Amino acid sequence: GAVVSQHPSRVICKSGTSVKIECRSLDFQATTMFWYRQFPKQSLMLMATSNEGSKATYEQGVEKDKFLINHASLTLSTLTVTSAHPEDSSFYICSARDLGSGTYGYTFGSGTRLTVV
Amino acid sequence: QQQVKQSPQSLIVQKGGISIINCAYENTAFDYFPWYQQFPGKGPALLIAIRPDVSEKKEGRFTISFNKSAKQFSLHIMDSQPGDSATYFCAASIGGSYIPTFGRGTSLIVHP
Repeated sequence: GAVVSQHPSRVICKSGTSVKIECRSLDFQATTMFWYRQFPKQSLMLMATSNEGSKATYEQGVEKDKFLINHASLTLSTLTVTSAHPEDSSFYICSARDLGSGTYGYTFGSGTRLTVV
Repeated sequence: QQQVKQSPQSLIVQKGGISIINCAYENTAFDYFPWYQQFPGKGPALLIAIRPDVSEKKEGRFTISFNKSAKQFSLHIMDSQPGDSATYFCAASIGGSYIPTFGRGTSLIVHP
């Protein structure tokens, strides 16, 4: 089945620094990937849609200058949290859909726990 | 505005019992209804899904019941096991992109 790999699984950074999170589709090509944020005991909040070769589309209320998304290839999307602050601490998850699989469900990465100190 | 309403928020079941999670939606354009299972510290994983042209789908111990007229669907976990302890999210999506709109999630604990 479709596999989405996400790295790192955990990262701790100092306030004011930037952190990059990678999301790769391992066995399929993904022209579109999605980035979610999840707070403890809450649902997934869609942050942005990552489009290969073009600009990402951000959901209302998400700061595009804070959360930089790059989708440079058909298998890799990156999310960079710039000038991170403690309030950016959260669980970030990416997802993609294998259009050639014949199914409509999305495959999610294993998530990245970001802690800003 | 919550497009997919999920209940209960938490559920405790004894081993061997039946776990039932309910969801309701408003948008009649939704045409794909997946359930995702999420373990702590992991991303969600697709568990089972249904299209509105059928009223029930079963895969092993997991069954989705779908009521199109009531705009409701539910997940039944038969013979619940401690390993089923996780958070379950119902979702609904519209054909084309099929981007899921998630419910708020149900934390299931199955006691041994």
